[in-house]
Amino acid sequence: NAGVTQTPKFRVLKTGQSMTLLCAQDMNHEYMYWYRQDPGMGLRLIHYSVGEGTTAKGEVPDGYNVSRLKKQNFLLGLESAAPSQTSVYFCASRDVGQETQYFGPGTRLLVL
Amino acid sequence: SQQGEEDPQALSIQEGENATMNCSYKTSINNLQWYRQNSGRGLVHLILIRSNEREKHSGRLRVTLDTSKKSSSLLITASRAADTASYFCATPRHSGSARQLTFGSGTQLTVLP
Repeated sequence: NAGVTQTPKFRVLKTGQSMTLLCAQDMNHEYMYWYRQDPGMGLRLIHYSVGEGTTAKGEVPDGYNVSRLKKQNFLLGLESAAPSQTSVYFCASRDVGQETQYFGPGTRLLVL
Repeated sequence: SQQGEEDPQALSIQEGENATMNCSYKTSINNLQWYRQNSGRGLVHLILIRSNEREKHSGRLRVTLDTSKKSSSLLITASRAADTASYFCATPRHSGSARQLTFGSGTQLTVLP
């Protein structure tokens, strides 16, 4: 099993550009999460999903949108990127009844 | 604000020594988890301790939980260079719910060979 994968690994954007980060998991997990990690800080939850077709806002949702059209995929979109969105983005998934989250390797995003 | 806060922010020790990291949190929880993050990688789950447990062991890891003080500690015994990483505690964001986790800012552990 590949576990949780993320694409791309690294991306440079100009202010105002849009992009989509893809997270895929092959563990049949119901729950999926998007976090951002900034220097000296822990992970902050952006959005999450408790199942296919559902999404919910986390701690820092502004400027991001998400979709969960398929159970295995969770997409994070930036409609108009801002320098404040320069960060490392992590996706995670969790099985029902379990509390451990499984993380992807991260996407490093630089917005100029 | 962060639910869990780790202390110290950075720790440097010699190989073979023990490393202790602490986590404090603010609200009542039903469990607490510790994760490790190697440089440039995602987080990896280490251990979970429930609110009715005071201590838990896993290999060279020992975790304690003091719910009266709202604190937890992670002890790594006989450290190795490969233990060099950041360590985060994570608590459920809402009491009784494990749907969301709140992570502390982490302890950066460096184990010198």
